[in-house]
Amino acid sequence: QKEVEQDPGPLSVPEGAIVSLNCTYSNSAFQYFMWYRQYSRKGPELLMYTYSSGNKEDGRFTAQVDKSSKYISLFIRDSQPSDSATYLCAMSPDDKIIFGKGTRLHILP
Amino acid sequence: NAGVTQTPKFQVLKTGQSMTLQCAQDMNHNSMYWYRQDPGMGLRLIYYSASEGTTDKGEVPNGYNVSRLNKREFSLRLESAAPSQTSVYFCASQNRQMYTEAFFGQGTRLTVV
Repeated sequence: QKEVEQDPGPLSVPEGAIVSLNCTYSNSAFQYFMWYRQYSRKGPELLMYTYSSGNKEDGRFTAQVDKSSKYISLFIRDSQPSDSATYLCAMSPDDKIIFGKGTRLHILP
Repeated sequence: NAGVTQTPKFQVLKTGQSMTLQCAQDMNHNSMYWYRQDPGMGLRLIYYSASEGTTDKGEVPNGYNVSRLNKREFSLRLESAAPSQTSVYFCASQNRQMYTEAFFGQGTRLTVV
């Protein structure tokens, strides 16, 4: 079992819809959780990060961490065509960062 | 604002050739990382360096070596390139003490023929 599992998609949703992206993990030592966005032929860029269980909101984006279930989510409200990208979850125990495979998201105009 | 700079951006190698991918950061970060990204595989950690003078293996270290030349620079070397090493390589850096985000370079697209 890989340490971080993420459905690669692709996921296609209409503009304006709420998008839900998820990852599960197996290592209970993970304490720092991140979501990155990657456009085609570009490096990943951080969207959100959090240390603890619960929700964190930033504009249209909400990150949710449930450590008891080893499950993290990213919600995108009022999705826009410009949100079309690959979204990667990432987690860190202490000294390294482990990424999921990434989910390709298409927002249909 | 250079951030993380990788060179070269593109490279074609013949099987068996060697090359070094260069990475430099100007953010005074202590941790640096090398990842490879293949279709459907996400970012896989090759090697990382938690501080100047230390390096550790990641998930896929075979066929690679690294050098943390100083705090700014972290290079990745392919001694004898193989077609399986065709990939996009990303370098990243992070200030781990502050638990800040990892910043990525723009990547090196390597093709081994």
